[in-house]
Amino acid sequence: DQQVKQNSPSLSVQEGRISILNCDYTNSMFDYFLWYKKYPAEGPTFLISISSIKDKNEDGRFTVFLNKSAKHLSLHIVPSQPGDSAVYFCAASITNFGNEKLTFGTGTRLTIIP
Amino acid sequence: KAGVTQTPRYLIKTRGQQVTLSCSPISGHRSVSWYQQTPGQGLQFLFEYFSETQRNKGNFPGRFSGRQFSNSRSEMNVSTLELGDSALYLCASSFGGPGETQYFGPGTRLLVL
Repeated sequence: DQQVKQNSPSLSVQEGRISILNCDYTNSMFDYFLWYKKYPAEGPTFLISISSIKDKNEDGRFTVFLNKSAKHLSLHIVPSQPGDSAVYFCAASITNFGNEKLTFGTGTRLTIIP
Repeated sequence: KAGVTQTPRYLIKTRGQQVTLSCSPISGHRSVSWYQQTPGQGLQFLFEYFSETQRNKGNFPGRFSGRQFSNSRSEMNVSTLELGDSALYLCASSFGGPGETQYFGPGTRLLVL
């Protein structure tokens, strides 16, 4: 049962344009969402997070949008840079029990074309 | 501030052996979580330790176990290794409170032959 889904395994975007990565979830108990970026042979690097009490969080070139009614979140990267080429994972957790378990999506490989 | 460190980075074992992986969290972090990443299953939660106690557990067999020491360092043990245990094992640390961000180490790549 895949509770967090990233339906696009890969995405190619021209340098300087906007990259939009999507994530859907099925468990309505999730109330904290994160995006991680991963290079080969390295651990995931935290990018940005959002609590379910918000619908948008912005940090520099990265913005995460949350649509609770649709159980959907997206990560916008603008402008896209070659160094953004990596695999992006969305993750979700239930925080009200001090639950540290993250449930991850399967990842989207983003390629930025110079 | 130093990040999460994991040792060893690479390991080759044969079926039936056991292995112990180590994780040192970011200073001040009391929670350590372990994840397994495989091409077929993605990143899957193994277990989480907080203040030397296992607080959460994923759906893995009992061959996978862990512990946490008083300095928050954690070890993960896999006994009777199977070929399917070949994976990247990642640990992540956080302060352990609700909504605290987890920060990952570089992982240990385990190959079981």
